Amino acid sequence: AQSVTQLGSHVSVSEGALVLLRCNYSSSVPPYLFWYVQYPNQGLQLLLKYTSAATLVKGINGFEAEFKKSETSFHLTKPSAHMRDAAEYFCAVTVNSGNTPLVFGKGTRLSVIA
Amino acid sequence: EPEVTQTPSHQVTQMGQEVILRCVPISNHLYFYWYRQILGQKVEFLVSFYNNEISEKSEIFDDQFSVERPDGSNFTLKIRSTKLEDSAMYFCASSAGLAGGLDTQYFGPGTRLTVL
Repeated sequence: AQSVTQLGSHVSVSEGALVLLRCNYSSSVPPYLFWYVQYPNQGLQLLLKYTSAATLVKGINGFEAEFKKSETSFHLTKPSAHMRDAAEYFCAVTVNSGNTPLVFGKGTRLSVIA
Repeated sequence: EPEVTQTPSHQVTQMGQEVILRCVPISNHLYFYWYRQILGQKVEFLVSFYNNEISEKSEIFDDQFSVERPDGSNFTLKIRSTKLEDSAMYFCASSAGLAGGLDTQYFGPGTRLTVL
């Protein structure tokens, strides 16, 4: 069975600072990994996904994540935070393909301080 | 850009009542899903639906739950007799059914169900 752990339920950064949201996964088979973002009163929007093509994945809005098998991690980063990045971020894992059930982490709320 | 829509955005019901949550998936998608998120907890998979039948379901999806695609556009989740613990945000999602790990699940905005 797969699982995801997101360290830090709440992360606060200053505008312009580096954003680092942590995600560690557990899977007995090669995983597919996803980051979703949820803005207030909206659904889950895909930021980026890892499907074994490249370990460094670039997503929308300047976010990227690096798959590190040795560390079982898929941390999300952005060099410079914007106020509009304030949202809830969810890491998720699945196996086999993208149309199998996603297993989510508990989410990390990102606050951006002016 | 095509999106998944859900109605209603908020549903309040009495314990023991039946509720139907509605979703309109993206039009050319083949897989449909329901997830839920109890306040303060993880988003959890409930069920997936493909080719007019359930393809996978979790332990949460017991006999109180059912899904249906009544026509070519809607996908519904029915809870037969609601319990207090069914209070949660319910998310519908759909995906095109691409192979090789290329598929992506697109989520709707959710329906917040409150059981009193």
